[in-house]
Order: sequence, then structure tokens, then C-alpha cells
Amino acid sequence: IAGITQAPTSQILAAGRRMTLRCTQDMRHNAMYWYRQDLGLGLRLIHYSNTAGTTGKGEVPDGYSVSRANTDDFPLTLASAVPSQTSVYFCASSELAGGTGELFFGEGSRLTVL
Amino acid sequence: GQNIDQPTEMTATEGAIVQINCTYQTSGFNGLFWYQQHAGEAPTFLSYNVLDGLEEKGRFSSFLSRSKGYSYLLLKELQMKDSASYLCAVRDSNYQLIWGAGTKLIIKP
Repeated sequence: IAGITQAPTSQILAAGRRMTLRCTQDMRHNAMYWYRQDLGLGLRLIHYSNTAGTTGKGEVPDGYSVSRANTDDFPLTLASAVPSQTSVYFCASSELAGGTGELFFGEGSRLTVL
Repeated sequence: GQNIDQPTEMTATEGAIVQINCTYQTSGFNGLFWYQQHAGEAPTFLSYNVLDGLEEKGRFSSFLSRSKGYSYLLLKELQMKDSASYLCAVRDSNYQLIWGAGTKLIIKP
């Protein structure tokens, strides 16, 4: 059972470059999320999608964009990377209807912007 | 503003009991979650409370008091593998999760 797959797991990127972090889930969850995690800070929501075809802005959306063309995929794009976007990025999914709505996380993508 | 407070770091001894507290101030309340995160890994779900009281799951228990904006995670019979960060998160009225910064738990032999 794969759950959520993120790629790449780690990347070093020059400032100004464009980068897309990929996220795929096989649980058919309706909601998907992108978080960044920085030392000393809680998980901060970048963007989310409650269902295929819709997206919303989270707490720290500037400099990032997402798309949700289908249920399984939720890529995160940095149009022009800056050093402050150095972080660990987690993709997550949840089933909003019924149950606890707990989040299932991917293994993370460690991004360094120089 | 919305806020989740939990201690930054705690130390406990193998075999002992530890309680990790979480206090919250959020716009509405639709449940509180505890997650465990080992260093370099993804968070994994531990527990969920939406009603007041204690939820027990093996060595781990979680308590909620909505009137006090307070929860705790109780870990019994501590094992070395319990060394991790424990994240408290509250789902607000918009069904968005508000996360605490996490409590790093260090277990000593």
C-alpha cells in the first residue's frame, strides 16, 4: 500500500528557478494539502484542495501555486524559488466525509534554495 | 488570532509515564488531533478527541476539556522508540487544522 508518494525526496535548487513538487495518493481521498515545516514552527498550510477541480489558499500561499486536475495528483509549484522557501514540504490527504478526517502524510520533500 | 501552545521539549525515563499538555485558542472547534513525528519522518496519526474526556489506545491516552481549551497526551511504559516530536492540532470552524509547534520528547535509559 503506497498511500501518498512525494517526489523528489530531496532537491537543491538555485534561486530564481522553477520547481514542481509532485504528490500522488492512491487512497481516493477527496482532500489534499501542502504544508511546509520549519524548525521551531508548526506545520504551516500552503494550499489545499477539498475536491478535484478546486483549490484554496492556506496560511502561507505566496510564491506557491497548486492544481488539482484529478483526485490522485496535487502538484506544488514554486514559480521562482527564493532562499526563504528552503524547508521540508509535506503533502497530505484526508477523507472529509465520515470518520475523524485524520491526515495521512507523504514522506516529505526536503528543498534547499541557494 | 488562533494559537496552539505546547512545551518545546520534555525529558522522561524509560518505563515511566509522561504527560504532554496542549492548550488552544481557536475560531471554533471541530476536534483535536495528536500526531507523532520521528526525526526526519512524516507525522503519523495517534489520536482524535472531539468530546470531553479520555480516549485510551494501548499505552497512549488523550484527554480533552473543551471548556478549558486543553488537552493532554499521556504516554505510559515509555520505550526508547517513543523518542519523537508530538504535535497537537485543532480543527477550527472552517475545518482547517491549526498546528502547535510540537513537543520534542527525549527518553533516557
